Amino acid sequence: DADVTQTPRNRITKTGKRIMLECSQTKGHDRMYWYRQDPGLGLRLIYYSFDVKDINKGEISDGYSVSRQAQAKFSLSLESAIPNQTALYFCATSQLGSGTDTQYFGPGTRLTVL
Amino acid sequence: AQTVTQSQPEMSVQEAETVTLSCTYDTSENNYYLFWYKQPPSRQMILVIRQEAYKQQNATENRFSVNFQKAAKSFSLKISDSQLGDTAMYFCAFPYTDKLIFGTGTRLQVFP
Repeated sequence: DADVTQTPRNRITKTGKRIMLECSQTKGHDRMYWYRQDPGLGLRLIYYSFDVKDINKGEISDGYSVSRQAQAKFSLSLESAIPNQTALYFCATSQLGSGTDTQYFGPGTRLTVL
Repeated sequence: AQTVTQSQPEMSVQEAETVTLSCTYDTSENNYYLFWYKQPPSRQMILVIRQEAYKQQNATENRFSVNFQKAAKSFSLKISDSQLGDTAMYFCAFPYTDKLIFGTGTRLQVFP
């Protein structure tokens, strides 16, 4: 089984709908991250969490919110989806700070907002 | 600002040949890791290789090796004996305040 899983893998929704993307990990890592990938822009950090009680905004957090329900679970929500949130979303985990350890990625969720 | 630059949006190489992907970065950190990730058409992000900045020896993983030049802030990836399965997007990344900053990627196509 994969160490980092994301659900759903693909989702098509309409403008204005609320969407939740879920991430679970069995690696036992404390740190979890949500990234967004757009063509030509690489990966950009949306939110990150260093433990259950610690949530931090990344560079592009507007329009998104997160919940760290447990060490193993980190959800990303789009309260009112808009078309420019169409992208590939990745969850990642790491054990220590990423300056000293590797981030491990889930398989990604492709979200399309019509 | 902490930045990472991949100046080659696309590259191609023939099977069995060698190709080098470039990456430069800017950081005020002194002790850090650098990473290359591969994203094949399956879209999974896969760690290819990582380099510890305080080590002078360049990292090697099978056919993948890096040329790390700390003073020049350069971190290139060399793929030897290229295989069709190496076709993918390749991202350079480095850490800044416990977060990873990614380059915009290089799309590598390996031709038979």
